Amino acid sequence: GENVEQHPSTLSVQEGDSAVIKCTYSDSASNYFPWYKQELGKRPQLIIDIRSNVGEKKDQRIAVTLNKTAKHFSLHITETQPEDSAVYFCAAIRNSGYALNFGKGTSLLVTP
Amino acid sequence: EAGVAQSPRYKIIEKRQSVAFWCNPISGHATLYWYQQILGQGPKLLIQFQNNGVVDDSQLPKDRFSAERLKGVDSTLKIQPAKLEDSAVYLCASSEGETQYFGPGTRLLVL
Repeated sequence: GENVEQHPSTLSVQEGDSAVIKCTYSDSASNYFPWYKQELGKRPQLIIDIRSNVGEKKDQRIAVTLNKTAKHFSLHITETQPEDSAVYFCAAIRNSGYALNFGKGTSLLVTP
Repeated sequence: EAGVAQSPRYKIIEKRQSVAFWCNPISGHATLYWYQQILGQGPKLLIQFQNNGVVDDSQLPKDRFSAERLKGVDSTLKIQPAKLEDSAVYLCASSEGETQYFGPGTRLLVL
């Protein structure tokens, strides 16, 4: 089955700096890669996703890049703000309608 | 648009007791998932339904966990008997297509 590795497990940055979280996947047939943000005690919420036919996608301060050959994808957050502090999960899925395979999460702390 | 609803939000039980969780997915979503999220880890699939049929229950500990989705809408997840290692957040999600929407979860503590 699919195995998703996520690094780093914790990340601390100063407000205004950029943050990068990286994930690798094992199943070359995976074609959908969402990122979820989970604040303490709350539900995971989708913040951005990318499909295998696209190399990069951007939404305001958040971007995701995908390298299919190397089987890795990354989340980039620019101009970080304290409210970006949360746990971020990457995931991979082969086809629509299948369960997500999650990484172990990255705890991001943005200090003022 | 209403999101995925779950109840109860919190539950504390003693080991060997039974417990049940309820999920109401987003209206019209055919696919429903139950995930288990242990502290410090990503969610792990327990069972997936398509309408009222089971698609994947390969990671469900069937000797103690059961789930049903009658009429293809609401779903219940039951644990009987509970073990200490079942302490976790149980997340329900639904989808129509690729994007999965999560409920707030039920936080279970087994003493």
